[in-house]
Amino acid sequence: DVKVTQSSRYLVKRTGEKVFLECVQDMDHENMFWYRQDPGLGLRLIYFSYDVKMKEKGDIPEGYSVSREKKERFSLILESASTNQTSMYLCASIQPGQDYYEQYFGPGTRLTVT
Amino acid sequence: ELKVEQNPLFLSMQEGKNYTIYCNYSTTSDRLYWYRQDPGKSLESLFVLLSNGAVKQEGRLMASLDTKARLSTLHITAAVHDLSATYFCAGRISGTYKYIFGTGTRLKVLA
Repeated sequence: DVKVTQSSRYLVKRTGEKVFLECVQDMDHENMFWYRQDPGLGLRLIYFSYDVKMKEKGDIPEGYSVSREKKERFSLILESASTNQTSMYLCASIQPGQDYYEQYFGPGTRLTVT
Repeated sequence: ELKVEQNPLFLSMQEGKNYTIYCNYSTTSDRLYWYRQDPGKSLESLFVLLSNGAVKQEGRLMASLDTKARLSTLHITAAVHDLSATYFCAGRISGTYKYIFGTGTRLKVLA
């Protein structure tokens, strides 16, 4: 079974802090994604990575950056957290050409910025 | 640009009843996915629909795809309380790794 893990289930940070959210997958998947989920808005793509050190902006990249130094790990960085970044953050991965391109999701990190 | 619309947003139903969740999408999508999310939990994959007329069933849930109408449905048969969750549909933009999600349908099954 694919396993996608995220470093924290719950996180509380102060406005202006630098925040790191970590995601690790154990199935050697090439592609990894970061989404945020807000009530009534579904999931929105922040960034995705199609290879080590390769990334592409999603629909809402402003205020976020990402890092992928190793294939299994994809980090989301909030350079200076703001209250409007309070949300649920979900990481996902896929292996192109397998499993009908089905995404496997991590458990999520609920981030509160005060 | 692909847009995905789900309705209804909220659904409260009695146990034993049948109902359908609708997922409309605006342009060609080569795959349509259905997910379930329990409160505070992540998304669990339910179905992947690939082609026109595709129908998949598991337990009391049945998903179908009509690519001509750009419509997928998730039909619930004889609902039970355990089906209470939020259900999302998502389409993949053909030839890309971009997935567009609907806003979700929050289903509550009343005993």
